[in-house]
Amino acid sequence: QVQLQESGPGLVKPSETLSLTCAVSGYSIRSGYYWGWIRQPPGKGLEWIGNIYQTGNTYYNPSLKSLVTISVDTSKNQFSLKLTSVTAADTAVYFCARGFGTMVRGVIGFYFDYWGQGSLVTVSS
Amino acid sequence: EIVLTQSPGTLSLSPGERATLSCRASQSVSTSYLAWYQQKPGQAPRLLIYGASSRATGITDRFSGSGSGTDFTLTISRLEPEDFAVYYCQQYGSSITFGGGTKVEIK
Repeated sequence: QVQLQESGPGLVKPSETLSLTCAVSGYSIRSGYYWGWIRQPPGKGLEWIGNIYQTGNTYYNPSLKSLVTISVDTSKNQFSLKLTSVTAADTAVYFCARGFGTMVRGVIGFYFDYWGQGSLVTVSS
Repeated sequence: EIVLTQSPGTLSLSPGERATLSCRASQSVSTSYLAWYQQKPGQAPRLLIYGASSRATGITDRFSGSGSGTDFTLTISRLEPEDFAVYYCQQYGSSITFGGGTKVEIK
């Protein structure tokens, strides 16, 4: 049974860096798939942030690319998200998820089959 | 960026009725790379459909997906009490974008 669990601070000050980690159990990141982050502001829809492969190859939402870093630690079977210079607009539930990758004319995309329960991060002073 | 527009915003139906949810894309979705998710309050989304019409593991055949190009549909044949939730479509043929969601509520 694949399980994902987010962890990290629930409160971040404006202009600081949001950091979250996703621990994966029941499946080895080394075995494949693309591991990703999606967020959902309170009462709103879903926004893809980015994905990473076991090799460290990353794929980011173009609208967030300059602010986001996703990294992977295969020895701990976990991956992490850093979002810099946060504002109140970054207040959201952050989900980690396992992505199944597809390739169309050199562009990669993912759908998500296993999700963590989500971690609410509030940006406030 | 491909924009996905879901309609209606809210669907009010009774248990046992058929639900038809629409997802329209601003441009053609490559190779029908479209997924549907169900989300209940306080929970993560759950994958229902991928590739426009393939059911995910463990998903009942009451859920079916169809469509291609720019128009896609999720059909729930007979609503059960546990089906009342918010449903999102997502395209993954050109980067990744999600629709705004359709809430299926009890009438």
